Amino acid sequence: EAQVTQNPRYLITVTGKKLTVTCSQNMNHEYMSWYRQDPGLGLRQIYYSMNVEVTDKGDVPEGYKVSRKEKRNFPLILESPSPNQTSLYFCASSFGKRDGETQYFGPGTRLLVL
Amino acid sequence: GNSVTQMEGPVTLSEEAFLTINCTYTATGYPSLFWYVQYPGEGLQLLLKATKADDKGSNKGFEATYRKETTSFHLEKGSVQVSDSAVYFCALRPHGSSNTGKLIFGQGTTLQVKP
Repeated sequence: EAQVTQNPRYLITVTGKKLTVTCSQNMNHEYMSWYRQDPGLGLRQIYYSMNVEVTDKGDVPEGYKVSRKEKRNFPLILESPSPNQTSLYFCASSFGKRDGETQYFGPGTRLLVL
Repeated sequence: GNSVTQMEGPVTLSEEAFLTINCTYTATGYPSLFWYVQYPGEGLQLLLKATKADDKGSNKGFEATYRKETTSFHLEKGSVQVSDSAVYFCALRPHGSSNTGKLIFGQGTTLQVKP
């Protein structure tokens, strides 16, 4: 089954404790992206990757890191989480960025930073 | 800059009622337009899309028409069901050199359908 998977689905942590949210897709997609969803703001892009070893900042990259060592995986790293990073996070992927290209979303990771 | 504005929710309807969720956008050129749906506890799923003016996207009884003259992409359904209860997001992807693959989302509209 074609899908985007994320782990963990739920995470409670404390300020300053490094964490990684994994994202994997099995569709051989080149483009991958991370979004955060906050009430009243919709989804905002954090980082994206056009292909292996090619990453770039989205609209809200502060406090986050990413890496793309393999085509299928795109982990999101919070080196020192803070309470304002409490949010719902979605990974997404697509073949590319052509007009009308569909992005496929993972199930989401709900993060609470105390 | 590019932006998407959706009508505020929640929208509460009775089963079989007509649904309209308004979406307007600001963008240069001809962006691609999308509606995504998020069912409780799940990720976003593409509902429909349109890539050029006057295109109509449709799926599962939902429709939306790309209106360049009014910069709108309103979502409609003739008869809603309880199973349509979800959050609906309108989104655009810029065209041309502004296209980094990023989707720009509206704030989402919650639909509640009561039996």
